[in-house]
Amino acid sequence: GAVVSQHPSRVICKSGTSVKIECRSLDFQATTMFWYRQFPKKSLMLMATSNEGSKATYEQGVEKDKFLINHASLTLSTLTVTSAHPEDSSFYICSAQGDGYGYTFGSGTRLTVV
Amino acid sequence: GQQLNQSPQSMFIQEGEDVSMNCTSSSIFNTWLWYKQDPGEGPVLLIALYKAGELTSNGRLTAQFGITRKDSFLNISASIPSDVGIYFCAGQAGGTSYGKLTFGQGTILTVHP
Repeated sequence: GAVVSQHPSRVICKSGTSVKIECRSLDFQATTMFWYRQFPKKSLMLMATSNEGSKATYEQGVEKDKFLINHASLTLSTLTVTSAHPEDSSFYICSAQGDGYGYTFGSGTRLTVV
Repeated sequence: GQQLNQSPQSMFIQEGEDVSMNCTSSSIFNTWLWYKQDPGEGPVLLIALYKAGELTSNGRLTAQFGITRKDSFLNISASIPSDVGIYFCAGQAGGTSYGKLTFGQGTILTVHP
């Protein structure tokens, strides 16, 4: 089956620093990757959609300069939270989609900004 | 924008009982998906539905794609403790929204042994 690997699973960073989260499709080519944010016991909120080789499309209200998304290859997308602040603390999840492969989610990254 | 209303928000049941949850939408979806999420993990796909009226089973799970394409339900039979988690429905609309999923609010399931 399709496997999506997301790293790191947990990260603690100081306020003002940047954090990079990686999302890799291990056994299929992900033409599209999605990044979500989830608050405790809440649903997933789509942040942005990225297609390989193209600029990401951000959902309304998501700051593209704060949440930098790169989808440079068919197996890797990264989300960089720049100048992180405590309010950016959250659970971030990626999902990948490819031809013949439905939406497969990574295991998520718990970001804590102190 | 599209919204999915998922109910119930939470359920507390005894082991062995059956569970039913549903999602409704104000607009049509081309695909309905049901996911389960364990604490600290990403959602895992349980059942995917691609055709209006489709009824699909996966072990103790059964889900249906409503004939109007605006609703779906998930049933879990003979619940066991490991069924505990948050269940999400998700719809994919197609057209200019192709590829994007809209999620329901989730149903938190607690199973007492």
